[in-house]
Amino acid sequence: AQKITQTQPGMFVQEKEAVTLDCTYDTSDPSYGLFWYKQPSSGEMIFLIYQGSYDQQNATEGRYSLNFQKARKSANLVISASQLGDSAMYFCAMREGGRSTLTFGKGTMLLVSP
Amino acid sequence: GAVVSQHPSRVICKSGTSVKIECRSLDFQATTMFWYRQFPKQSLMLMATSNEGSKATYEQGVEKDKFLINHASLTLSTLTVTSAHPEDSSFYICSARDRSRGGYNEQFFGPGTRLTVL
Repeated sequence: AQKITQTQPGMFVQEKEAVTLDCTYDTSDPSYGLFWYKQPSSGEMIFLIYQGSYDQQNATEGRYSLNFQKARKSANLVISASQLGDSAMYFCAMREGGRSTLTFGKGTMLLVSP
Repeated sequence: GAVVSQHPSRVICKSGTSVKIECRSLDFQATTMFWYRQFPKQSLMLMATSNEGSKATYEQGVEKDKFLINHASLTLSTLTVTSAHPEDSSFYICSARDRSRGGYNEQFFGPGTRLTVL
């Protein structure tokens, strides 16, 4: 089974609207961390937000928030007030337990239109 | 934040030649670095974990004799693609772990190297 599943290959949103990018995960480890990265066409991986499995509250970073539903094993990224510069690939990733490695989902391409 | 550089950013080589890619942590010491490969419109796949002063740990299916990794110092890891073939053409990204920061966001990514093998 895939450890990280991103079911949306592509998403479209109009500028200034909010958009939710889906991510579900699979792990039996009680301790894990979930990450979202943005990859623009230049290729660099930009860290956006992190959620720990024991965190009680949903993570927020500026216009980014993470809708963490532990029982459903989902960690959706919400981008509020989309901007043209938000157009990029978005990857959800997980680090399990004491491991240092990250496992990435297949990504979602977000296109923001004027 | 912590900065990771990669060199070169782009390389084109002939089939059969070897190519070396450098990954440097510029303002921190990285005891662990990671090498990923990304094919067009696909996800990042971890190739290997590079530990300073010891042998790299390769993921299943990655040929260690083809992808040579050297992590000789706390700020530099190199990936050498030996006898490159067109199917090795890909985007190679490294990341480095900054243990001194603690917390969660301790892995920082380089800008990537696009390899094209003719």
